[in-house]
Amino acid sequence: KQEVTQIPAALSVPEGENLVLNCSFTDSAIYNLQWFRQDPGKGLTSLLLIQSSQREQTSGRLNASLDKSSGRSTLYIAASQPGDSATYLCAVRVTANTGRRALTFGSGTRLQVQP
Amino acid sequence: DGGITQSPKYLFRKEGQNVTLSCEQNLNHDAMYWYRQDPGQGLRLIYYSQIVNDFQKGDIAEGYSVSREKKESFPLTVTSAQKNPTAFYLCASSIRQYQETQYFGPGTRLLVL
Repeated sequence: KQEVTQIPAALSVPEGENLVLNCSFTDSAIYNLQWFRQDPGKGLTSLLLIQSSQREQTSGRLNASLDKSSGRSTLYIAASQPGDSATYLCAVRVTANTGRRALTFGSGTRLQVQP
Repeated sequence: DGGITQSPKYLFRKEGQNVTLSCEQNLNHDAMYWYRQDPGQGLRLIYYSQIVNDFQKGDIAEGYSVSREKKESFPLTVTSAQKNPTAFYLCASSIRQYQETQYFGPGTRLLVL
């Protein structure tokens, strides 16, 4: 059974700092990996999706990398801002022919960026 | 304005009562999903549907039921058999099941009186 772990569970940084959030998964046979942002009491917003054949994806100040062989992904946030404060969740989709047909989520990293 | 809507935002359930959470999308997506989120935890899949009139159990389907009579609607019923229903419920959709980004609704918080 696929398990997804995110470390650290919470992180507080001063504004302007570059930071890295980590995600690890136990089954490397993934179809894709997705990073989401969740504001308190709200739904999820998709940030980046990396297909299994890709190594990284970039969107603005965000860069996500994927290393399937080691079962790891990182989300890099450059020049953090107070508006980046949220919970960041990663989720993996297992390759379709295994029978598991939806995303498996980590428990998230709660980020606070101090002004 | 395309998107996913969930209603109500807050829902209160009495003991032994069934309640239904609404999820509607106008994105013309084939696949829809229901997740449950408990405090400090990730999302767990309750049910998903690939197409109209089809749905499959997720990891924690016991005590829940769904229907998919229309492409745009995927309501979730929390039955009296669900003994610990207090949670944040999120509905999502994607164009197809395997490849595409999932888009989420704003969620419904269910509380037990």
